[in-house]
Amino acid sequence: KAGVTQTPRYLIKTRGQQVTLSCSPISGHRSVSWYQQTPGQGLQFLFEYFSETQRNKGNFPGRFSGRQFSNSRSEMNVSTLELGDSALYLCASSWTGAETYEQYFGPGTRLTVT
Amino acid sequence: AQKITQTQPGMFVQEKEAVTLDCTYDTSDPSYGLFWYKQPSSGEMIFLIYQGSYDQQNATEGRYSLNFQKARKSANLVISASQLGDSAMYFCAMREGPTGGFKTIFGAGTRLFVKA
Repeated sequence: KAGVTQTPRYLIKTRGQQVTLSCSPISGHRSVSWYQQTPGQGLQFLFEYFSETQRNKGNFPGRFSGRQFSNSRSEMNVSTLELGDSALYLCASSWTGAETYEQYFGPGTRLTVT
Repeated sequence: AQKITQTQPGMFVQEKEAVTLDCTYDTSDPSYGLFWYKQPSSGEMIFLIYQGSYDQQNATEGRYSLNFQKARKSANLVISASQLGDSAMYFCAMREGPTGGFKTIFGAGTRLFVKA
């Protein structure tokens, strides 16, 4: 069974640009969560999608958005990039997203904003 | 409020010895899951072990076991017979149930160094 895949793996953008990251969950998983990881703030929850609906959102500005498609693939978008958005963005999938099921993570997308 | 605390920023252990990584949590949701993940220098998060709030017995997965003390709200990870490949960052996480909106939070992590 294929794991969670994320594309692209590395990205360099300029301040003010926008970026779209993609995540394909494990087959059969309907919940996809996104996290931002930085050395200073650690792992922070961005949002979670379940069956194409955003179920949860973390404390991030509206520049961060996402969506989920009918095949459970998910994208996250960051508009008007800031230097502080440089981070490792991790996507995780779970069968239902319930507290009884573990999340499996993708390799991450490392975003650098210059 | 939902909270996860890992008080050990770094730990050293001799190869082949056991090590315990501490994790305490706080939640008002009666149903929750506790998870441990390993993050090697490559960056990928690897799921290690899960413990449900209603589980009576401590979870075990190979060399990993979770010492779950519900009354004390602690979920410590025990790694037996440490190997050099265990050197990595370890994160404790908690996911609340429907009452808490299925939110997940992670602790700050503990960096484990295994010495030969």
